[in-house]
Amino acid sequence: AQKITQTQPGMFVQEKEAVTLDCTYDTSDPSYGLFWYKQPSSGEMIFLIYQGSYDQQNATEGRYSLNFQKARKSANLVISASQLGDSAMYFCAMREGRAGRRALTFGSGTRLQVQP
Amino acid sequence: GAGVSQTPSNKVTEKGKYVELRCDPISGHTALYWYRQSLGQGPEFLIYFQGTGAADDSGLPNDRFFAVRPEGSVSTLKIQRTERGDSAVYLCASSPGTGEGYTFGSGTRLTVV
Repeated sequence: AQKITQTQPGMFVQEKEAVTLDCTYDTSDPSYGLFWYKQPSSGEMIFLIYQGSYDQQNATEGRYSLNFQKARKSANLVISASQLGDSAMYFCAMREGRAGRRALTFGSGTRLQVQP
Repeated sequence: GAGVSQTPSNKVTEKGKYVELRCDPISGHTALYWYRQSLGQGPEFLIYFQGTGAADDSGLPNDRFFAVRPEGSVSTLKIQRTERGDSAVYLCASSPGTGEGYTFGSGTRLTVV
């Protein structure tokens, strides 16, 4: 079974509008962390936001917020006031809390295109 | 250095040849990770070092792949008898060893012809 599922291969959004990128995850570990990364065409993975499984509040970082619904096992990324520079691939990733396990498992990504 | 540095940025090699990919992590980061990203996919975990030792090598696909980090800083990913299916971008990341702060490099694009 896929551990991280991103069902939107591509998304379009108008500049200045908000967009939600979907991510669902699968784990039986009670302790885990969820990450979102942006990958522009240059190839570098840029960290955006993190949510721990025990965090009581949804994470926010500037224009990025994470809509964490634990019971549904979803961790959607919301980008407010989209900018042309937001056009990139976006990856959701999970780290499970098993002792010694620090690797990230990534989804297949969503390509976001911001239109002027 | 200021960021994670990977060299070379591009590598073209012939099938069957041996290649080495280098990763220079952020100074002071004790944890180092290698990932492989095939075209149109998310990165896949290969190996994780804590200091000099490989703490988790469960992602290495077969025994043609090997990685070292002899002094706990720079790491080299080594691929023997390369195959066309090894063509991908190889990403390196480092972290302080605690907390969630992974920093990725720009990757090495390996093409096996």
